[in-house]
Amino acid sequence: AQSVTQLGSHVSVSEGALVLLRCNYSSSVPPYLFWYVQYPNQGLQLLLKYTTGATLVKGINGFEAEFKKSETSFHLTKPSAHMSDAAEYFCAVSGGDDMRFGAGTRLTVKP
Amino acid sequence: ETGVTQSPTHLIKTRGQQVTLRCSSQSGHNTVSWYQQALGQGPQFIFQYYREEENGRGNFPPRFSGLQFPNYSSELNVNALELDDSALYLCASSLEAEGYIQYFGAGTRLSVL
Repeated sequence: AQSVTQLGSHVSVSEGALVLLRCNYSSSVPPYLFWYVQYPNQGLQLLLKYTTGATLVKGINGFEAEFKKSETSFHLTKPSAHMSDAAEYFCAVSGGDDMRFGAGTRLTVKP
Repeated sequence: ETGVTQSPTHLIKTRGQQVTLRCSSQSGHNTVSWYQQALGQGPQFIFQYYREEENGRGNFPPRFSGLQFPNYSSELNVNALELDDSALYLCASSLEAEGYIQYFGAGTRLSVL
């Protein structure tokens, strides 16, 4: 069985500050890991993915995440937050036939 | 834009009724998955269809059923609606060759009164 746990349902940062959203996964097979973003009243948009290879993956809008097998983590970071980053962020794990999502982290960016 | 379209965008039904939600997949994608997202929660996997066959199912009762058509569009049917079925229903299409990335539609917001 696969699952993800997102630590912190709400994260608030100031504009220009570092963004760190935490995700830990559980998987019995090598995982495919994803981060998605959801803006109000919209579907999910892919930020980045890890399948195999390089453990530091870069995504859209300046986000990146690092796969750490020893820590079973896949935390999402962005060096400098922008007001437009305010949204709900979901970490997800897939083994192919389905995708399991975390409960989400709501990011608030203060001016 | 992901190329995945869902209809309708909003729907209001009463308890006990039946509903059909529709999804048009991204061109060339032969796999479609459906998710239920309750307010304030992450999406929950309902089921997946691959080449018109159910390919996996989450913890949802049989009154949730689906179809995938030869053109890879799909339907989600829910019978005997309950109040707890009120949620955003998301459709996602994917292609194995793309490493299981799922491309999501904007969803259908279902309200059951």
